[in-house]
Amino acid sequence: GAVVSQHPSRVICKSGTSVKIECRSLDFQATTMFWYRQFPKKSLMLMATSNEGSKATYEQGVEKDKFLINHASLTLSTLTVTSAHPEDSSFYICSARFHLLGQGAGGYTFGSGTRLTVV
Amino acid sequence: DAKTTQPNSMESNEEEPVHLPCNHSTISGTDYIHWYRQLPSQGPEYVIHGLTSNVNNRMASLAIAEDRKSSTLILHRATLRDAAVYYCILRPFGFGNQGGKLIFGQGTELSVKP
Repeated sequence: GAVVSQHPSRVICKSGTSVKIECRSLDFQATTMFWYRQFPKKSLMLMATSNEGSKATYEQGVEKDKFLINHASLTLSTLTVTSAHPEDSSFYICSARFHLLGQGAGGYTFGSGTRLTVV
Repeated sequence: DAKTTQPNSMESNEEEPVHLPCNHSTISGTDYIHWYRQLPSQGPEYVIHGLTSNVNNRMASLAIAEDRKSSTLILHRATLRDAAVYYCILRPFGFGNQGGKLIFGQGTELSVKP
């Protein structure tokens, strides 16, 4: 259980265009989702937290106008990279939080990631 | 956020046990210790978590020091498919005032030799 499906797995786009990445929770309702980016040989860097029905909370240094996050339903969050440039090329990963019954600490499940290449 | 310290890399031989250490000297009483691993070009996957007692599941065991300032992830018989980056992360009970964010450190890159 607690599976998150992320699409697309790979995308190549031209500089200046926008790209949308989708993250769906398949068998649970995800009130909170997280978006990360990861550069080669580096750790995951949290970009933003999205809560269903409200505005996303961005981490310091992340441009909210460039990385648009929408969490319109309990099963879908999207990240749109607007006016993409080569420096936006990265591995983007979504994550959803779910409740572990009786354990007091929630679990996190991750999408398989999206490799974005901007040319 | 409470921080963790892990070795950058470790090597293991196939079929042998692996002990991956993690120091978290500033852990608070309500922090859970989570371990995730990330295989190349994939999202992280949950491995195990614990609070005070040692924990076992089908993937691994988690040994937590009595003072909780360190923990060790144990893979009982490493396979080639266990080659990954292993992350030790502290997460507060009830998600805390950070809204339940999972903050990743640098992790330990485990390589497994046949």
